[in-house]
Amino acid sequence: EVQLVETGGVLIQPGGSLRLSCAASGFTVSANFMTWVRQAPGKGLEWVSVIYGGDTDYAESVKGRFTISRDNSKNTVYLQMNSLRADDTAVYYCARGRSGSPLEYWGQGTLVTVSS
Amino acid sequence: DIQMTQSPSVMSASVGDRVTITCRASQGISNYLAWFQQKPGKVPKRLIYAASSLQSGVPSRFSGSGSGTEFTLTISSLQPEDFATYFCLQHNSYPLTFGGGTKVEIK
Repeated sequence: EVQLVETGGVLIQPGGSLRLSCAASGFTVSANFMTWVRQAPGKGLEWVSVIYGGDTDYAESVKGRFTISRDNSKNTVYLQMNSLRADDTAVYYCARGRSGSPLEYWGQGTLVTVSS
Repeated sequence: DIQMTQSPSVMSASVGDRVTITCRASQGISNYLAWFQQKPGKVPKRLIYAASSLQSGVPSRFSGSGSGTEFTLTISSLQPEDFATYFCLQHNSYPLTFGGGTKVEIK
């Protein structure tokens, strides 16, 4: 059974750093498109970042501040978030996709609140 | 970036109604379009991928159509559990982009 469990969301001050984790089971993260999607309170969905093989990509809004990575030995994907701003406040979801089949499985999400 | 324009943003409908939601892409995306359903406080759930392929386990009253720049999600007979917000997603190119969402409310 495919499972994704995100952890790491907290209340943090503007300018701070945070690392989110997405622990996967039932499949191998290195063989799939692993994606972070976020949703600000009461708002729509925003694609944040993807890692597949040796490639990564980022939304313009987080480029240079966020870094996606993967630990194959732990079957876990990470999102390192630096220079956090109030508009980064959101539930962050981890999702698995494949070529031509995006975001099929989602985790339950983890809430990041950036506020002083 | 490809912009996805979804309409309407809100709609009121009754149980048994046929519901149609439209998504328009700012440039051609072939059939790289997915639809998601999200209920309040819940995780988004994929309904349709590749514009018209029904996700396993999703009721057949949901269907998707379109290609290029115009896409449609249809619910043939709205059920009580279908009141939710629906989002389209283009996965033709990065950055992936979502539509703004359509909230289907009870009339």
